[in-house]
Amino acid sequence: QVQLQQSGAELMKPGASVKISCKATGYTFSSYWIEWVKQRPGHGLEWIGEILPGSGSTNYNEKFKGKATFTADTSSNTAYMQLSSLTSEDSAVYYCARIPTATYGFDYWGQGTTLTVSS
Amino acid sequence: DIVLTQSPASLAVSLGQRATISCRASESVDSYGNSFMHWYQQKPGQPPKLLIYRASNLESGIPARFSGSGSRTDFTLTINPVEADDVATYYCQQSNEDPPTFGAGTKLELK
Repeated sequence: QVQLQQSGAELMKPGASVKISCKATGYTFSSYWIEWVKQRPGHGLEWIGEILPGSGSTNYNEKFKGKATFTADTSSNTAYMQLSSLTSEDSAVYYCARIPTATYGFDYWGQGTTLTVSS
Repeated sequence: DIVLTQSPASLAVSLGQRATISCRASESVDSYGNSFMHWYQQKPGQPPKLLIYRASNLESGIPARFSGSGSRTDFTLTINPVEADDVATYYCQQSNEDPPTFGAGTKLELK
């Protein structure tokens, strides 16, 4: 069965960077885009961007260019999102999700990683 | 970016009754004969769950009580009949144009 397992909650200081992981099991990791979504109370769900692990191709929401960087390791079936120059505005729950095709919805989601940025 | 406006923001429905949630897009999300609108359910502390893809297609494993309709800019999610397990927040999402965007959500409660 398809599963996406994300890394645990993070408490970071302003100005630091953090790397969140998303380990995929149960399907051919390299063939499906991995999406990254941010959720904050009062701000709803925001699409950060995506990576196709097999090729390393990425697409970023303009809003998150320079903030988020995606990588993927096909040997461990794990996708990563690095967030840099953290501020309190980055405090949120971050999800990875899979999308089967461009015409589909996000069919499987990780459990979410809570990031808290505080001095 | 395409803005998705959901209404109502919250609604209270009695068990066994129908719930209807609307999602209006700031521009058409139709292409190549398909409507690229999807619906999700999210319960507290859980990730969103895909219910409906491409406006009206029921995701595998989702009860037939859930249905979706609409095209171009106006879409509807219907739950009929509502069960206690349906208490959650529901989101629409478009994937016709980058970036994909989500509605603000509709919170469903029991009356």
